[in-house]
Amino acid sequence: AQSVTQLGSHVSVSEGALVLLRCNYSSSVPPYLFWYVQYPNQGLQLLLKYTTGATLVKGINGFEAEFKKSETSFHLTKPSAHMSDAAEYFCAVKEGGNKLVFGAGTILRVKS
Amino acid sequence: DADVTQTPRNRITKTGKRIMLECSQTKGHDRMYWYRQDPGLGLRLIYYSFDVKDINKGEISDGYSVSRQAQAKFSLSLESAIPNQTALYFCATSDLGDNPTDTQYFGPGTRLTVL
Repeated sequence: AQSVTQLGSHVSVSEGALVLLRCNYSSSVPPYLFWYVQYPNQGLQLLLKYTTGATLVKGINGFEAEFKKSETSFHLTKPSAHMSDAAEYFCAVKEGGNKLVFGAGTILRVKS
Repeated sequence: DADVTQTPRNRITKTGKRIMLECSQTKGHDRMYWYRQDPGLGLRLIYYSFDVKDINKGEISDGYSVSRQAQAKFSLSLESAIPNQTALYFCATSDLGDNPTDTQYFGPGTRLTVL
């Protein structure tokens, strides 16, 4: 069965600093990977996804993630954090039947 | 209008009560899902449905039941609520097919507290 590990339940960065949220997965088949964001009191919104092809995936709001098969990783980055990026971020891997397995989530705090 | 709606948005109930959470979608999707979110555990799948006649248990189905009344409606019931079912519940939808680019679309969530 697929699984997802997100390193760091809380990450704090200063406004304008690099954002790096870590995700490692385990999968017995080529993985389909997703990052979702949850703003306070809202549902989950898709940031970006990797299926096949280019390993560097660009998403909304300036985020991107790179699929590294050798490292079984799919880390999320943004060059310059903004206050509005404060949210909880979830990495997920797709199982059969379009089911998603989620990581535990990382809460991003952005300091002014 | 939101594509995936959930009612109620917040509910406080007592141990032993029956509770129903409802989900409706206007996206025309065949597949619907119920998840619960607990701090530090992420989202875990409770039940999913690929069409009106197809209901499947997820990772944590014990203590829950579901009903797919129509393509657009998927309800989650707690027959006898217990305190450890206090959580944030999300409904999601996706298109039919195993297309790997399918995305799940989430509702705003229902915060349930069982006293």
